[in-house]
Amino acid sequence: QAVLTQPPSASGTPGQRVTISCSGSRSNIGSNIVNWYQQFPGTAPKLLIYSSNERPSGVPARFSGSKSGTSASLAISGLQSEDEADYYCAAWDDNVNGWVFGGGTKLTVL
Amino acid sequence: QVQVVQSGGEVKKPGASVKVSCKASGYSLRSFYMHLLRQAPGQGPEWMGIIDTIRGTTTYAQKFKGRVAITRDESTNTVYMVLSSLTFEDTAVYYCARDIGEESRGPGFAWFDPWGQGTLVTVSS
Repeated sequence: QAVLTQPPSASGTPGQRVTISCSGSRSNIGSNIVNWYQQFPGTAPKLLIYSSNERPSGVPARFSGSKSGTSASLAISGLQSEDEADYYCAAWDDNVNGWVFGGGTKLTVL
Repeated sequence: QVQVVQSGGEVKKPGASVKVSCKASGYSLRSFYMHLLRQAPGQGPEWMGIIDTIRGTTTYAQKFKGRVAITRDESTNTVYMVLSSLTFEDTAVYYCARDIGEESRGPGFAWFDPWGQGTLVTVSS
């Protein structure tokens, strides 16, 4: 059972805006930054958003992140077919002294 | 380019140990900590531990303490992870990931980039 809670699935049509939520607690999201990773089938996760709302170079501007209290969100605007992937949130947890992840959200582009 | 190159897949019997290697390519291993994670089929990643590649000191997730050992060889720019007393539940893809963060801001101000390509460890009798 994942420590951070994500919806198992999300979907949208090309061009739409989709958001994926990540819910935690005071010891993880409430006290630390949140990172998001994108994973395509059979490949390693790739950094998508770091420090809650920063994009690494090469990540399109249509990906954005936010954090409020003990929850975080990933937003994808102008949805494209190549965005179909699994998305994971992660944060450090002060109680367990380790990194915790969400169970992942499978994004389908209809 | 900067990448982490991992060793190939392994098949082990229950009770055995497995060793996974992670070679830093395109950068000096000493410049960044390295994390070890794993991902069981259909699940999210699970953090196992981290190594300070300069001092060689390690921090392990409570779940794996006593059963995992992470070491590094500076001469070959490589990190090693040994997981012992394997059970069927240890079947997973194991990843190394470079730590990018600011140590002065605490262990939580960091992110993993890049990840290695993964090493499939299958525990089967």
